[in-house]
Amino acid sequence: QQQVKQSPQSLIVQKGGISIINCAYENTAFDYFPWYQQFPGKGPALLIAIRPDVSEKKEGRFTISFNKSAKQFSLHIMDSQPGDSATYFCAASSRTNAGKSTFGDGTTLTVKP
Amino acid sequence: SAVISQKPSRDICQRGTSLTIQCQVDSQVTMMFWYRQQPGQSLTLIATANQGSEATYESGFVIDKFPISRPNLTFSTLTVSNMSPEDSSIYLCSVEAGTAPYEQYFGPGTRLTVT
Repeated sequence: QQQVKQSPQSLIVQKGGISIINCAYENTAFDYFPWYQQFPGKGPALLIAIRPDVSEKKEGRFTISFNKSAKQFSLHIMDSQPGDSATYFCAASSRTNAGKSTFGDGTTLTVKP
Repeated sequence: SAVISQKPSRDICQRGTSLTIQCQVDSQVTMMFWYRQQPGQSLTLIATANQGSEATYESGFVIDKFPISRPNLTFSTLTVSNMSPEDSSIYLCSVEAGTAPYEQYFGPGTRLTVT
């Protein structure tokens, strides 16, 4: 049973556009929701994370929106750039065990110049 | 944050052999984690390694196949034993770091191909 569902599987956006990736979780014990960015040949890098006591967190061009009642969260990349082209993973875990994460299937983002 | 290094970065191994992957962290951490990422797939947790105790394995992973050592607070190894082509994956070391509530950091991965 997949506990974190991520969509879309792939996404193509024009430079300057907004990229939106969505995730839904099932386990209400999750209370830590990070997003990771992975370039080919590299390990996932923590991009931004949110905890359920806030509905939105913004860091530069990256924003997480969180809907606790719907058990959904999303990543918005504003003014998308070709350098943002990568695979993005959402994940969920409990704050007391942040390293034991359940990951979504990933979204391959391509930003066209 | 934490800086994690892994050795080797990649290897091509024969079926039936074993490979030990090393993970080194630049700071002392309590928990270390080993993940597997099959080509084009998501990450799956193999086991959690706590210094001074036996590793805890997730469903579908067993100690005989993936023995783990955790001799100190900055180092761990994962061995992939009696390899088959199905073991071809990227193996990633991960740690919790920072101040509570912790964040998760990953190493660069070891790309294993079994022929």
